[in-house]
Amino acid sequence: NAGVTQTPKFQVLKTGQSMTLQCAQDMNHNSMYWYRQDPGMGLRLIYYSASEGTTDKGEVPNGYNVSRLNKREFSLRLESAAPSQTSVYFCASSLQLVGQGIMNTEAFFGQGTRLTVV
Amino acid sequence: ELKVEQNPLFLSMQEGKNYTIYCNYSTTSDRLYWYRQDPGKSLESLFVLLSNGAVKQEGRLMASLDTKARLSTLHITAAVHDLSATYFCAVEGGGDSNYQLIWGAGTKLIIKP
Repeated sequence: NAGVTQTPKFQVLKTGQSMTLQCAQDMNHNSMYWYRQDPGMGLRLIYYSASEGTTDKGEVPNGYNVSRLNKREFSLRLESAAPSQTSVYFCASSLQLVGQGIMNTEAFFGQGTRLTVV
Repeated sequence: ELKVEQNPLFLSMQEGKNYTIYCNYSTTSDRLYWYRQDPGKSLESLFVLLSNGAVKQEGRLMASLDTKARLSTLHITAAVHDLSATYFCAVEGGGDSNYQLIWGAGTKLIIKP
């Protein structure tokens, strides 16, 4: 059972470089999320996709873009990395069906991407 | 705006002791989740609480939900070292938040032999 798979696991970028974090889930979930986790800050939502074809900003979207490529895949792009974006990034998914009644909002997480911007 | 507060944020305790972690939230919600995170690892779902009065238990951990008090507790009985981790609660927001999960800051639990 793969669940939620993120790549890469580790990445070091120079300030100003760009990169895309990939996320795929095989649980037929409708909703997908990108979080960042910083020491002492808990989880902060960057962007989410309630269903295929939709994306919405979360709490800390500045400096990021996302693409919901299909039902399985949700990518996060840093166009011009900054040291403030050094963090651990988690992708998650849930079955949730917005607009069609709530079925299950329990989130399942990928293994995380540890990103350092120097 | 839904806010979720956990306390304590840090807890160091001896093996064999009992303790409770509290999760308070600010607006009405009927769904609450507890997660565990080991150092350097991802988050793992522990308990799903879906209604007032819900109680779930697994091993030395027991979680409960009181939606009227807007409070969930995670009780640890006779703690063992393997339970050392950071524990997060997450509350499902309402339609205004598009039913997103709102997260507590986490409780870092260290259990000493």
